[in-house]
Amino acid sequence: EIVLTQSPGTLSLSPGERATLSCRASQSVSSSYLAWYQQKPGQAPRLLIYGASSRATGIPDRFSGSGSGTDFTLTISRLEPEDFAVYYCQQYGSSPPNTFGQGTRLEIK
Amino acid sequence: EVQLVESGGGLVQPGRSLRLSCTASGFTFGDYAMSWVRQAPGKGLEWVGFIRSKAYGGTTEYAASVKGRFTISRDDSKSIAYLQMNSLKTEDTAVYYCTRGLAVFDPWGQGTLVTVSS
Repeated sequence: EIVLTQSPGTLSLSPGERATLSCRASQSVSSSYLAWYQQKPGQAPRLLIYGASSRATGIPDRFSGSGSGTDFTLTISRLEPEDFAVYYCQQYGSSPPNTFGQGTRLEIK
Repeated sequence: EVQLVESGGGLVQPGRSLRLSCTASGFTFGDYAMSWVRQAPGKGLEWVGFIRSKAYGGTTEYAASVKGRFTISRDDSKSIAYLQMNSLKTEDTAVYYCTRGLAVFDPWGQGTLVTVSS
């Protein structure tokens, strides 16, 4: 089973700043089958990125994904107030099982 | 609009059973695999299992933590996916989400809370 480790656990930034979230896999994720989800308090997760770098429908272009192999990054170019949430990475290259990272909390500084 | 609505959650004693339903609308349900993902209070996301579409055999896969206790099924005529949970444990307490797909999950339902406690 592939284990995903996200860092940092909590990221404190201000609106307008750039956010960089990391997701590291315990072994290579085949074909860059990695997704990112956003979850706000009391809400269901929402798909942001799939295939490591493809934005889901309706996702603003300030969100971008990159990486391959074992190291992946979600970048939010300029933070909006609505972007403060918890972010999860998920691999589906070695499935089942699908596995999620433990999450990064992005909070307002 | 694609929509998923879970129901059937509640308080149940350890060792008992519960069945969750996921009612879909806005897309051709039978063409898609459906998955269940859960989230314990204050914790992260955990994949529970999925059921493939009939075109791919309608077969199922489960996480090791629920295999042998949970069963996913589907009724394409009603656009409903089910999660039958038997021999429930306190550690099964979580919000259970239904979601479309077996690899990339999109969209998600609002979730239904299952509390296992005596």
